[in-house]
Amino acid sequence: GAVVSQHPSRVICKSGTSVKIECRSLDFQATTMFWYRQFPKQSLMLMATSNEGSKATYEQGVEKDKFLINHASLTLSTLTVTSAHPEDSSFYICSAKWAGSRNQPQHFGDGTRLSIL
Amino acid sequence: ELKVEQNPLFLSMQEGKNYTIYCNYSTTSDRLYWYRQDPGKSLESLFVLLSNGAVKQEGRLMASLDTKARLSTLHITAAVHDLSATYFCAVDFMNRDDKIIFGKGTRLHILP
Repeated sequence: GAVVSQHPSRVICKSGTSVKIECRSLDFQATTMFWYRQFPKQSLMLMATSNEGSKATYEQGVEKDKFLINHASLTLSTLTVTSAHPEDSSFYICSAKWAGSRNQPQHFGDGTRLSIL
Repeated sequence: ELKVEQNPLFLSMQEGKNYTIYCNYSTTSDRLYWYRQDPGKSLESLFVLLSNGAVKQEGRLMASLDTKARLSTLHITAAVHDLSATYFCAVDFMNRDDKIIFGKGTRLHILP
């Protein structure tokens, strides 16, 4: 089945640090990748849609200058949390969708648990 | 407004019992997904429902879709402890660039 790799799985860092998270589709091409954030015991909230070769589309209330997204190829999207603060601590999950069929589900990476001290 | 509502949000049940999780959504869609999430883990795809009347089964789980009622159900038969997890439905509302909207999730706790 489709595999999405997300790295790193866990980050602990000091306030003010910038953190980059990578999301790769390993066995399929994904023109679109999605970035979600999940707080404890809550559902997934879509942060942005990442399109290969173009600017990401951010959801309302998500600061694009704080959460930088780059989708440089059909298999890689990155999310950089700039100058992270404790309130940015969360579980970040990416997903990718195969470009060939709209009927396929989104396939999720394993998530990155970000803890800002 | 695009909404996806799941109920119940929390369910504690005994092994061997049957139960149903409901997923209602607010406007037209013909694509609905069910995912499972274990504590501390990411999401695992369970079912993809693509048309009215679609029914899919995997082991003790069965999902169905009624697009006219804007309702999907996830039925658990003879629950076992291994099915304890959080279950999310997610809806692809058409013309939203493949975005899906998640329900709040149902935390299922199966008692031995």
